[in-house]
Amino acid sequence: NAGVTQTPKFQVLKTGQSMTLQCAQDMNHNSMYWYRQDPGMGLRLIYYSASEGTTDKGEVPNGYNVSRLNKREFSLRLESAAPSQTSVYFCASSGFGTTYSNQPQHFGDGTRLSIL
Amino acid sequence: AQKVTQAQTEISVVEKEDVTLDCVYETRDTTYYLFWYKQPPSGELVFLIRRNSFDEQNEISGRYSWNFQKSTSSFNFTITASQVVDSAVYFCALSGTYKYIFGTGTRLKVLA
Repeated sequence: NAGVTQTPKFQVLKTGQSMTLQCAQDMNHNSMYWYRQDPGMGLRLIYYSASEGTTDKGEVPNGYNVSRLNKREFSLRLESAAPSQTSVYFCASSGFGTTYSNQPQHFGDGTRLSIL
Repeated sequence: AQKVTQAQTEISVVEKEDVTLDCVYETRDTTYYLFWYKQPPSGELVFLIRRNSFDEQNEISGRYSWNFQKSTSSFNFTITASQVVDSAVYFCALSGTYKYIFGTGTRLKVLA
């Protein structure tokens, strides 16, 4: 009954520190996504992985890297955190229909990240 | 380019009023999908509905209904007889190749 699991739920970092946000899904979905949510900005796509073994940049990839470790896991890494990366981060997954993302996305509970 | 516009930043209604949330989209694709998601105060995102570009039939689910009009590139969401539990941020989304584009969301406050 887990769906999409994100860890940690909260994190405070100092500028320049690095960290990895973890995401795992147990729905056998092919596609996985990382978003950030900022007030008034909606959800913005950072990176996505259409299928195991592939990753691509989204709308706001600068300052981030991702790894699709296997079909279940998709991690997001901040190499040198900056205050502008303070945000709520959501991981999502979806089934894979055809070329288009026609399947609804299932979201994790989010990671609230503050960078001082 | 793809774009989703939710011009209503925040709406406040009194319980039992009807309310419509607007969503206007732009895309050059002939095949695309539209979605609505709900984000209650607890923060999780919940899928509500999906509609593909070839299906303009309106849909009703309980107090929720959706009106899809390709001619005006709109996919509006109406809540009938609103309740306090409907208070949330609602996002409209458009899908393209592997990716989603989300609108900036509309915060709905339903007052008792």
